[in-house]
Amino acid sequence: DGGITQSPKYLFRKEGQNVTLSCEQNLNHDAMYWYRQDPGQGLRLIYYSQIVNDFQKGDIAEGYSVSREKKESFPLTVTSAQKNPTAFYLCASREGGLNSPLHFGNGTRLTVT
Amino acid sequence: AQTVTQSQPEMSVQEAETVTLSCTYDTSESDYYLFWYKQPPSRQMILVIRQEAYKQQNATENRFSVNFQKAAKSFSLKISDSQLGDAAMYFCAYRRKIDSGYALNFGKGTSLLVTP
Repeated sequence: DGGITQSPKYLFRKEGQNVTLSCEQNLNHDAMYWYRQDPGQGLRLIYYSQIVNDFQKGDIAEGYSVSREKKESFPLTVTSAQKNPTAFYLCASREGGLNSPLHFGNGTRLTVT
Repeated sequence: AQTVTQSQPEMSVQEAETVTLSCTYDTSESDYYLFWYKQPPSRQMILVIRQEAYKQQNATENRFSVNFQKAAKSFSLKISDSQLGDAAMYFCAYRRKIDSGYALNFGKGTSLLVTP
């Protein structure tokens, strides 16, 4: 079955360490996204990529970085510069078409202490 | 900026009853798309329903329907014959244009409790 796989489901890191969240899709979608979810805040866009080898900052990109070397993969690195990294992170992809919805992975819960 | 507002942080409904979740948005665009997503305790985001702004007919998916009022910029979700499995966070989303593609702006969500 096609879908989006995020790993790991739970991730723990010490403050000051960089950490990379994995996102892989086999839906053959060009566009991929990273959202952050905090309690009471909804989902906020971190980074997005419309096509391989290209990506753009979203609304809250500070302290994060991404790469898009393959169509299937869009990893997110949470750097030590991110002041409040503890959150739930959701990866999504979208096929072409004006009314195409986003398809989401199951998310990664990152806890930094 | 295309903002999405969900004014009800929490709602409660009895099983088999009907509930309506509110959503308003702000935009200067004339053609756009709106979505409702459901997030159960598993935290998987599930598409519930979508609406194209140029279509006057309200979208319907089984027990889920929307009341789309374009002039009022309102996009409410009605759940009929509520079931225990409907308990979840519900997010309203607006499709916004970015560069050569699109992303979604989400509201802060409404937590729906379904009681037996």
